Amino acid sequence: QKEVEQNSGPLSVPEGAIASLNCTYSDRGSQSFFWYRQYSGKSPELIMFIYSNGDKEDGRFTAQLNKASQYVSLLIRDSQPSDSATYLCAVKGYGQNFVFGPGTRLSVLP
Amino acid sequence: EAGVAQSPRYKIIEKRQSVAFWCNPISGHATLYWYQQILGQGPKLLIQFQNNGVVDDSQLPKDRFSAERLKGVDSTLKIQPAKLEDSAVYLCASSLGGLAGDYNEQFFGPGTRLTVL
Repeated sequence: QKEVEQNSGPLSVPEGAIASLNCTYSDRGSQSFFWYRQYSGKSPELIMFIYSNGDKEDGRFTAQLNKASQYVSLLIRDSQPSDSATYLCAVKGYGQNFVFGPGTRLSVLP
Repeated sequence: EAGVAQSPRYKIIEKRQSVAFWCNPISGHATLYWYQQILGQGPKLLIQFQNNGVVDDSQLPKDRFSAERLKGVDSTLKIQPAKLEDSAVYLCASSLGGLAGDYNEQFFGPGTRLTVL
């Protein structure tokens, strides 16, 4: 059973701070890693994906991947109240399906 | 570009009744997914279609759930009979698929919120 784990939160950070969201996965064959944002009552939307070890930056978002530790994280710099949402980590092996984690609720306090 | 369309948006039924959901993917997207998302959990894949063929239905409760994608475009997901534990949001997603399928973004529809009483 392939598993993806995340802290359920809520993770509360003050406006302007860095929010750090973490995800671990059980399948060493996983090759691509996705972060989705889901506002309450809405469907998930892709923030970014990463498939190479190291960091990948996109605006205020940075994804970090460490395949040896089976760990992927998402950093949100200069957090805004509009970033308050549930963040879903999804993992995929080549030719396999997406496995989603339970999500971490982030609350950015004004 | 139109997004993934789903209907109905909300459905309330009693247990043992049947229900059907409809999904129209983004034009040209070969891969279609149905997910079940129970409150407080991440989406769980029920079935994946590549064009009109089933790629993965290993987590579909086949004694009560069925899905089809005729002509490789629209898809329907049916539950018959429904149980209380089927209360969830049913999400449809689509992606381009093909050789670069592993890196194709999934686009989600708005979902159908099902309540089974």
